[in-house]
Amino acid sequence: QSVLTQPPSVSGAPGQGITISCTGNNSNIGAGYDVHWYQQLPGTAPKLLIYANNNRPSGVSDRFSGSKSGTSASLAITGLQAEDEADYYCQSSDSSLTWVFGGGTTLTVL
Amino acid sequence: QVQLQESGPGLVKASETLSLTCTVSGGSISGYYWSWIRQPPGKGLEWIGYIYYTGSTNYNPSLKSRVTLSVDTSNNQFSLKLRSVTAADTAVYFCARHYWITTPFEYWGQGSLVIVSS
Repeated sequence: QSVLTQPPSVSGAPGQGITISCTGNNSNIGAGYDVHWYQQLPGTAPKLLIYANNNRPSGVSDRFSGSKSGTSASLAITGLQAEDEADYYCQSSDSSLTWVFGGGTTLTVL
Repeated sequence: QVQLQESGPGLVKASETLSLTCTVSGGSISGYYWSWIRQPPGKGLEWIGYIYYTGSTNYNPSLKSRVTLSVDTSNNQFSLKLRSVTAADTAVYFCARHYWITTPFEYWGQGSLVIVSS
């Protein structure tokens, strides 16, 4: 049981957009801690996709965006491409200054 | 370019201690936080703990009683020891770097699969 809650799976057709939610509580996201998002392709290490709620590292496509409100955060992907098929994880800190992850969401591009 | 590489036994017997080392190249271990994360087969990510280059640590409360992290700045390495392992500790273990306690993991190792056998 992960501290942050994500939908197990989402899907969308090529060219469409999807959103992945990440719900926490007042000890983590709601306490004001930043949310970060990672993309994990099969058999590889996670890759930082969005940091500090809505910032993209250099080299990450602007098709990816993040937002945060209250005790939740969201990752949006527009213009879906086959290469976006992956697992996506949200991450935040909590009041003990430890890290918590979401359970992960598998994106399928139909 | 900073690179991290996990190393250690791929097979550990139940009740024994899992030991892994992460070697950092292309940059110094000093000035950063270093975390261990694990991922059981087919499951999600679980943060194990972090160590600052000075040696200060913080652990996942669910693993705290069994985990020890250490750092060797002279060899640009940090290590994980997980005691009294069971089959539930079978996972890919990743090491990662972050700049501050609450900043994201910008660099990751490729991961090391550790299987706990009975």
